[in-house]
Amino acid sequence: AQKITQTQPGMFVQEKEAVTLDCTYDTSDPSYGLFWYKQPSSGEMIFLIYQGSYDQQNATEGRYSLNFQKARKSANLVISASQLGDSAMYFCAMREVRDDKIIFGKGTRLHILP
Amino acid sequence: DAGVIQSPRHEVTEMGQEVTLRCKPISGHDYLFWYRQTMMRGLELLIYFNNNVPIDDSGMPEDRFSAKMPNASFSTLKIQPSEPRDSAVYFCASRRGQTDNSPLHFGNGTRLTVT
Repeated sequence: AQKITQTQPGMFVQEKEAVTLDCTYDTSDPSYGLFWYKQPSSGEMIFLIYQGSYDQQNATEGRYSLNFQKARKSANLVISASQLGDSAMYFCAMREVRDDKIIFGKGTRLHILP
Repeated sequence: DAGVIQSPRHEVTEMGQEVTLRCKPISGHDYLFWYRQTMMRGLELLIYFNNNVPIDDSGMPEDRFSAKMPNASFSTLKIQPSEPRDSAVYFCASRRGQTDNSPLHFGNGTRLTVT
């Protein structure tokens, strides 16, 4: 069964510093995709970045990048130059191609300090 | 382009009452997912549909929960009878299945409170 683990329930980071949010996953499907979502206090779910299991390069989207280490089954989100508006809950999710099920980790609450 | 639309935004009901949550996915999206979010359990997948057909309902907690998708533009999640432990935020999300990197698009959620 597929599984997503986010080991950091909460993090405090100084503004302008880089942040790494951890995500490890477990799957027997060789073909899968990994997603990161942001949930601010207002509650909406905002898609940030995607990494496919066969992608050769780590995904990047503006200040977001994904540190994908396939052999270690980890897909950590890196936020460069953090801003106060980055304070939110962050979720890692995985889709297995064989059944298209998408499951989420329990999330990491990120606090950016001024 | 309208996003995923959920109604109602908030629902307060008494234990034992029937609750129906509604979702309109994005036009052209062939997958629809229902999730439940609580502090203790995070985001749990309840059920998902492909082309209006339920694919996996193993996350539905009990027989009190049922979900339908009568057509491509509408889905319901029903709880009958409701219990206080059903209090949570329920999200509907849709995606286009033809491309692997197509993300889930979420509605704004329904906050359910059962007293």
